[in-house]
Amino acid sequence: GAGVSQSPSNKVTEKGKDVELRCDPISGHTALYWYRQSLGQGLEFLIYFQGNSAPDKSGLPSDRFSAERTGGSVSTLTIQRTQQEDSAVYLCASSLSGPGYTFGSGTRLTVV
Amino acid sequence: SQQGEEDPQALSIQEGENATMNCSYKTSINNLQWYRQNSGRGLVHLILIRSNEREKHSGRLRVTLDTSKKSSSLLITASRAADTASYFCATDVLTGGGNKLTFGTGTQLKVEL
Repeated sequence: GAGVSQSPSNKVTEKGKDVELRCDPISGHTALYWYRQSLGQGLEFLIYFQGNSAPDKSGLPSDRFSAERTGGSVSTLTIQRTQQEDSAVYLCASSLSGPGYTFGSGTRLTVV
Repeated sequence: SQQGEEDPQALSIQEGENATMNCSYKTSINNLQWYRQNSGRGLVHLILIRSNEREKHSGRLRVTLDTSKKSSSLLITASRAADTASYFCATDVLTGGGNKLTFGTGTQLKVEL
């Protein structure tokens, strides 16, 4: 597609439920990032995929968070047993193995 | 932890004035980028300055980089109400796995008519 697409745009879930957030990067982009942004805060790095290399998972806040990238394209961020502190906007970005990243519009997750 | 810290956290100016935002970082970088965010959603890439560059211009934007002080500044000249947004610096560091982009805490700019 023309841009980075994220779905859903908004998600309200009950505490304790699992959620999956999806990111469709720009076709051909080899690098894909997930970030989390809490209200009024900066972007917190979560995970980074680069081609076929092992992902950099150093930003995942707990073992409830995991992410996959299938076929070097679509990525899914899964949060298990959601907690209220997981409420945030989750942003995905992709690039063609170099500087200058294109961001999606994000998924606003609210855990009630 | 945040690689970049921005100053000021919030800035309010009148339309037509210049806005200056500063960013400090901690480690050696490959390049530094500035992004703009409206309404807390997607970020838009504004400008990139490489570690061997000292100044770069793009339209009403001027970015400087001082690697000895590990700092950068973003100047928006002749500001407009439409420039109201949050501005983030991001440092690009080359790691074993590729480029890693780490964001600062952001400056909230408000341009008033």
